[in-house]
Amino acid sequence: GENVEQHPSTLSVQEGDSAVIKCTYSDSASNYFPWYKQELGKRPQLIIDIRSNVGEKKDQRIAVTLNKTAKHFSLHITETQPEDSAVYFCAARRYQAGTALIFGKGTTLSVSS
Amino acid sequence: GAGVSQSPSNKVTEKGKDVELRCDPISGHTALYWYRQSLGQGLEFLIYFQGNSAPDKSGLPSDRFSAERTGGSVSTLTIQRTQQEDSAVYLCASSFDPASAEAFFGQGTRLTVV
Repeated sequence: GENVEQHPSTLSVQEGDSAVIKCTYSDSASNYFPWYKQELGKRPQLIIDIRSNVGEKKDQRIAVTLNKTAKHFSLHITETQPEDSAVYFCAARRYQAGTALIFGKGTTLSVSS
Repeated sequence: GAGVSQSPSNKVTEKGKDVELRCDPISGHTALYWYRQSLGQGLEFLIYFQGNSAPDKSGLPSDRFSAERTGGSVSTLTIQRTQQEDSAVYLCASSFDPASAEAFFGQGTRLTVV
């Protein structure tokens, strides 16, 4: 089955700096890679996702890059703000029926002002 | 409903008792997932349903854990003979599958075994 490794487990940055979180996956057939944000006491929510037919996707201050050859993908947050403080989870699955969505262990991002 | 609904929100049970956790997915979502989140930990996969069948139940930690889904909708996660290490937040998520892969989470059930 799929296994997703996520690094770092904690990340502290100053407001305005960039933050990068990296994930690797084991199943070469995985082709869907979402990122979820979980604020304290709340449920995880999708912030961005990427499919294997593209190498990069951007949405305002966040972007995700994918390297299928190396089986890793990364989340990039620019111009960080205190409200970006949360736990971020990467995940991977095959974009087809019959496979589960497997998450990394999460990265706690703290943005100090 | 408007979103994924889980009940109860909180459950305190005595060690050795059985518990049932319920998940009502978004209407029309064929895929349903159960995850466990221990304090400060990640999203541990438990089981995945496609319709009423479970193609992947590899994450269930022991035979004390079981789940079912009926009518392609409501799912119940049952934990028998609960242990203290079962204490966690149990999250359910659902999605269209495979047309749209975004998974929507419920608010979770916080289980405390005393």
